[in-house]
Amino acid sequence: EVQLLESGGGLVQPGGSLRLSCVASGFTFSTYAMTWVRQAPGRGLEWVSTISGISDDTYYTDSVKGRFTISRDNSKNTLYLQMNSLRAEDTAVYYCAQDSGANRPLWAPYWGQGALVTVSS
Amino acid sequence: DIVMTQSPDSLAVSLGERATINCKSSQSLLYSSNSKNYLAWYQQKPGQPPKLLIYWASTRESGVPDRFSGSGSGTDFTLTISSLQAEDVAVYYCQQYYSTPNAFGQGTKLEI
Repeated sequence: EVQLLESGGGLVQPGGSLRLSCVASGFTFSTYAMTWVRQAPGRGLEWVSTISGISDDTYYTDSVKGRFTISRDNSKNTLYLQMNSLRAEDTAVYYCAQDSGANRPLWAPYWGQGALVTVSS
Repeated sequence: DIVMTQSPDSLAVSLGERATINCKSSQSLLYSSNSKNYLAWYQQKPGQPPKLLIYWASTRESGVPDRFSGSGSGTDFTLTISSLQAEDVAVYYCQQYYSTPNAFGQGTKLEI
């Protein structure tokens, strides 16, 4: 059974940093791309970033480029999202998702329960 | 960037009746080399993560009831629930994966 468990969310001041983690189990982690999707309170879904299975390709939405960094440690079956220079508009539940392919982002069959990030002073 | 627009924003359908949700992309999602439409549909219930329903515009994910079906090609797509059940109350999203950023539609809230 595929399981994805996010951690690292919390309250951070504007301009601050936070690192989200997502521990995966139930599948061969290195053979799948992994994706972060966020959802602001009461709003829709927003694709944030994807990393290929062997970390040779990364993709970001424009609003986080230069501020967020996606990475993974295949030896630990763990996906990360380092978030710097956080803004109020980054406040959201961040979902970790397993992608259906190994490289570019496609559809996501499995999702974690999400981690809440609140950016506020 | 590709923009995804769903209609309607909300929809009320009686139990056992058909529900139809539309999704329009700002450019074609049909990839000529493989004749596939790069579109997925998700269902999200309150307090839960999204659940994949459909990919390649019309391929039902394993375990998804056959009352859910996807259709369309190019820029116009439809999710149809043939006979609405109480457990289908949710917000439904389309998403394109033709090119990054992999944009979602704004969502359609389905009620009874």
